[in-house]
Amino acid sequence: AQSVTQLGSHVSVSEGALVLLRCNYSSSVPPYLFWYVQYPNQGLQLLLKYTSAATLVKGINGFEAEFKKSETSFHLTKPSAHMRDAAEYFCAVSDRGFGNEKLTFGTGTRLTIIP
Amino acid sequence: EAGVTQSPTHLIKTRGQQATLRCSPISGHTSVYWYQQALGLGLQFLLWYDEGEERNRGNFPPRFSGRQFPNYSSELNVNALELEDSALYLCASSVRAAFYGYTFGSGTRLTVV
Repeated sequence: AQSVTQLGSHVSVSEGALVLLRCNYSSSVPPYLFWYVQYPNQGLQLLLKYTSAATLVKGINGFEAEFKKSETSFHLTKPSAHMRDAAEYFCAVSDRGFGNEKLTFGTGTRLTIIP
Repeated sequence: EAGVTQSPTHLIKTRGQQATLRCSPISGHTSVYWYQQALGLGLQFLLWYDEGEERNRGNFPPRFSGRQFPNYSSELNVNALELEDSALYLCASSVRAAFYGYTFGSGTRLTVV
């Protein structure tokens, strides 16, 4: 079964610094990969997704992620952190193919922005 | 366009009671997914419904059940509530194609006392 591992349950960066949130997947074939963000007391919002087009995917709020098959990674980055980026971020994976639409989520990374 | 709506927002129940949570998907979405988000445990997959049928089920006991109605709305029922069922229950909807991803509702906070 596919799975994702998020390295670091908590990440703190200074405002204006680079944000890097790590995600590695485990799947026998290149899967679909997603990043979601969850603000306090809210549901999850889709940031971006990889579906086998370009390996560098741009999302909302200035975030992007790069699919690296050789490293089985899909790390999320943002060049300059803003206070509003403080939230919890989840990486998720889904196998391709009809009947495999279920998303499996990582355990999440809580991002704190230091003023 | 209305998003995924869940009701109620908060629910307090006593141990042993039953809870019913409701979800209305985005118009045009046929799939509804339920996840449990308990403190410190991430998102655990509960159930997936599509076109009125249960398509997949997570590793939860049978007292977690649900259904999907002809209008694609869904309800999740939790019987014989236990304290550890206290969690945020998230509903998501999508068209039946994995690469679209899900749209989530804001969740129902269930507290069992």
